[in-house]
Amino acid sequence: GNSVTQMEGPVTLSEEAFLTINCTYTATGYPSLFWYVQYPGEGLQLLLKATKADDKGSNKGFEATYRKETTSFHLEKGSVQVSDSAVYFCALNGGNKLVFGAGTILRVKS
Amino acid sequence: EAEVAQSPRYKITEKSQAVAFWCDPISGHATLYWYRQILGQGPELLVQFQDESVVDDSQLPKDRFSAERLKGVDSTLKIQPAELGDSAMYLCASSLAAGGALYEQYFGPGTRLTVT
Repeated sequence: GNSVTQMEGPVTLSEEAFLTINCTYTATGYPSLFWYVQYPGEGLQLLLKATKADDKGSNKGFEATYRKETTSFHLEKGSVQVSDSAVYFCALNGGNKLVFGAGTILRVKS
Repeated sequence: EAEVAQSPRYKITEKSQAVAFWCDPISGHATLYWYRQILGQGPELLVQFQDESVVDDSQLPKDRFSAERLKGVDSTLKIQPAELGDSAMYLCASSLAAGGALYEQYFGPGTRLTVT
């Protein structure tokens, strides 16, 4: 079945550091890929998405590229801020159903 | 900005009691989803509605869980009887329609259930 694996956290960075959160997937066919973010006390929000191979999703300085050959969708940001502290979920949609990874906690220190 | 509303935000209940959660989706959204998020894991779909009809409840433990969306607007998820393993965050989401990446799912803040 479809599944998503993402790097374990927590990831702790200093402000302005470079961020990478790894995500790989297993799926039949060609799913759409997503990154969601969950700030403390809030629901999940869509951060970015990509619908086909080599697509790059980007939003708020974050970006991720759909790599079919490595079945990956790694999240990156060049310079993180304290306000980026949250839980980040990688997800795929195959067959109209979202399948989420376990989430990665990001903590950014000032 | 329109949001998905959920209540209560927190619920503590004893084992074997009944508990219910309510969700009001964004106005005009035909598709409604209930997810369960166990601590340290990602959300898992329990049930999906298209208007008032269930289109996927394959992961819903039907011996104790039930869900309804009688008029195709708001929805209720019920657990009876609650078990210790039901402690989790219950998330509701809605979208204009079901369609993979075409229609974004908007999530509510969730109901955190603790079963003692």
